[in-house]
Amino acid sequence: KNQVEQSPQSLIILEGKNCTLQCNYTVSPFSNLRWYKQDTGRGPVSLTIMTFSENTKSNGRYTATLDADTKQSSLHITASQLSDSASYICVVSPMFSGGYNKLIFGAGTRLAVHP
Amino acid sequence: DAGVIQSPRHEVTEMGQEVTLRCKPISGHNSLFWYRQTMMRGLELLIYFNNNVPIDDSGMPEDRFSAKMPNASFSTLKIQPSEPRDSAVYFCASSLATVRGAGNEQFFGPGTRLTVL
Repeated sequence: KNQVEQSPQSLIILEGKNCTLQCNYTVSPFSNLRWYKQDTGRGPVSLTIMTFSENTKSNGRYTATLDADTKQSSLHITASQLSDSASYICVVSPMFSGGYNKLIFGAGTRLAVHP
Repeated sequence: DAGVIQSPRHEVTEMGQEVTLRCKPISGHNSLFWYRQTMMRGLELLIYFNNNVPIDDSGMPEDRFSAKMPNASFSTLKIQPSEPRDSAVYFCASSLATVRGAGNEQFFGPGTRLTVL
């Protein structure tokens, strides 16, 4: 069973529109939750990182929220741009993972922004 | 800073051949990770090095896979013999682990796309 589930698998939106991506996780306890952006043919790049005590974190047009009680996170993209077309991956770090920052990845949501 | 450097970017080989992937981490980083990404399984950790020492290799699929880190600026991932099911994108990432178990940021390289025919 995947410990980090993301929805939807894929999404198409028009340029300028907003969208929200969802992440449900079962990793517990956890140290932090990240959202990564992965452009085609590139490695993942971190967008936001939240500790278990944080509820929201923004990075420009990207806003991530975290509800540790329901074990849900979301990534909201405002005023989408063509360059937002990418895969967005939710990543959770277990609190106790052998002394290092182990990452557990979701399968990602593939976002396509059309003009 | 050039970031994490991986080579080659693309590799096409025939089943049974030896494949060596290379990684140069960000200077000053003391942790290095090898990941594999496939459509079916997403990103999976293969092995983690700290200060050039393998700490967690539980993700290495089988004995055909081996990884080394002879010094702080170089690591290799070798597959011998390669099989078609090894086809994937292999990423190297590095980080500066300053606090035990803390959320230290991992920086990913561009990846090596491996195709085994």
